Amino acid sequence: RKEVEQDPGPFNVPEGATVAFNCTYSNSASQSFFWYRQDCRKEPKLLMSVYSSGNEDGRFTAQLNRASQYISLLIRDSKLSDSATYLCVVITKAAGNKLTFGGGTRVLVKP
Amino acid sequence: DVKVTQSSRYLVKRTGEKVFLECVQDMDHENMFWYRQDPGLGLRLIYFSYDVKMKEKGDIPEGYSVSREKKERFSLILESASTNQTSMYLCASTTGGSGNTIYFGEGSWLTVV
Repeated sequence: RKEVEQDPGPFNVPEGATVAFNCTYSNSASQSFFWYRQDCRKEPKLLMSVYSSGNEDGRFTAQLNRASQYISLLIRDSKLSDSATYLCVVITKAAGNKLTFGGGTRVLVKP
Repeated sequence: DVKVTQSSRYLVKRTGEKVFLECVQDMDHENMFWYRQDPGLGLRLIYFSYDVKMKEKGDIPEGYSVSREKKERFSLILESASTNQTSMYLCASTTGGSGNTIYFGEGSWLTVV
């Protein structure tokens, strides 16, 4: 089993719709979580950190479920510019602050 | 403005050549990482370092080595490049604490022929 897993998609989303997807992690000692966005042939860029209480940034909402060991990202009112690959990143301090990425979820927003 | 710089953006090397990929960060970060990214396989960790002269194997260290002689510089070395090492290589850095932003270089596209 991979340490961090994501549904690769693609999620085909009509413009204006809501899309949500998860990222599961296997190491219960993992303590920091992030969502990154990656455009084709570019480096990943931070979208948002994921806090235990859940957090929202505009149209984006991130949640953490420690009991079930997953994080989620929800995008409301999808824009064409939201088309990208979304990577979840998990930091495990017990492993020397090792960063582990999920394989990414591809989202395609269509008019 | 924080920065992670990968000096070589696009390289073409021959099989058997020794290849150096350099990564420099100007944020005084303790932790630095090398990943490779391939279609359908996502980002896979090759090596990481949490201090000068310290290194830890990631998930796919075979065929690679690293060097961290100075805090700001983390080098990835392909001792004898092979065609299956054709990939995009990403360097990242972060501070020692958890919950800190990860900064990425722009990537190095390596083709081994």
